[in-house]
Amino acid sequence: AQSVTQPDIHITVSEGASLELRCNYSYGATPYLFWYVQSPGQGLQLLLKYFSGDTLVQGIKGFEAEFKRSQSSFNLRKPSVHWSDAAEYFCAVGGQGNLIFGKGTKLSVKP
Amino acid sequence: EAGVVQSPRYKIIEKKQPVAFWCNPISGHNTLYWYRQNLGQGPELLIRYENEEAVDDSQLPKDRFSAERLKGVDSTLKIQPAELGDSAVYLCASSFGREVNTGELFFGEGSRLTVL
Repeated sequence: AQSVTQPDIHITVSEGASLELRCNYSYGATPYLFWYVQSPGQGLQLLLKYFSGDTLVQGIKGFEAEFKRSQSSFNLRKPSVHWSDAAEYFCAVGGQGNLIFGKGTKLSVKP
Repeated sequence: EAGVVQSPRYKIIEKKQPVAFWCNPISGHNTLYWYRQNLGQGPELLIRYENEEAVDDSQLPKDRFSAERLKGVDSTLKIQPAELGDSAVYLCASSFGREVNTGELFFGEGSRLTVL
């Protein structure tokens, strides 16, 4: 069965520190992978996506993610976090007309 | 360009009452999705439309939920009667193309339902 696991429910980092949010997936074929961000009271916004090719993908707002097939992972990273990055982040795997989302990781940023 | 528009943003009702949510997708997007997001969870697909045809409604609780997309543009999601467990955020999204993996989904801000 297709599934997405985000092991960290809540992460707190200091402003300016680096960030890595973990995502593991289970999918029968070549996955199409996404990271979305959701600010409070808002809809989901696409940060980046991986379909094929270079396994390191760049997204908006300075985020990047690396696809590692051997580890079934698609972790999201940012070298220096800003206070405005505080939000909830969702990893998703797509296929057959549906996106399957993880449960999300809430990011808090300390000043 | 206008994004996906949903209304109402918030709705509070008593159990057993009906409720309806409306969605206007991005112009030209032929695929429309309704997702439900429970507190502390990721969104889960309820129904997907290709134009006016519901191509995946396997997760829609058909005893109380219904949806329509007349003319292949706007869509309405209805719950009748609502139960306490229906409290959630209902997200509408739209995209180009028949397969989500060919492009990104654009989400509305959601309709937050509270059932008392």
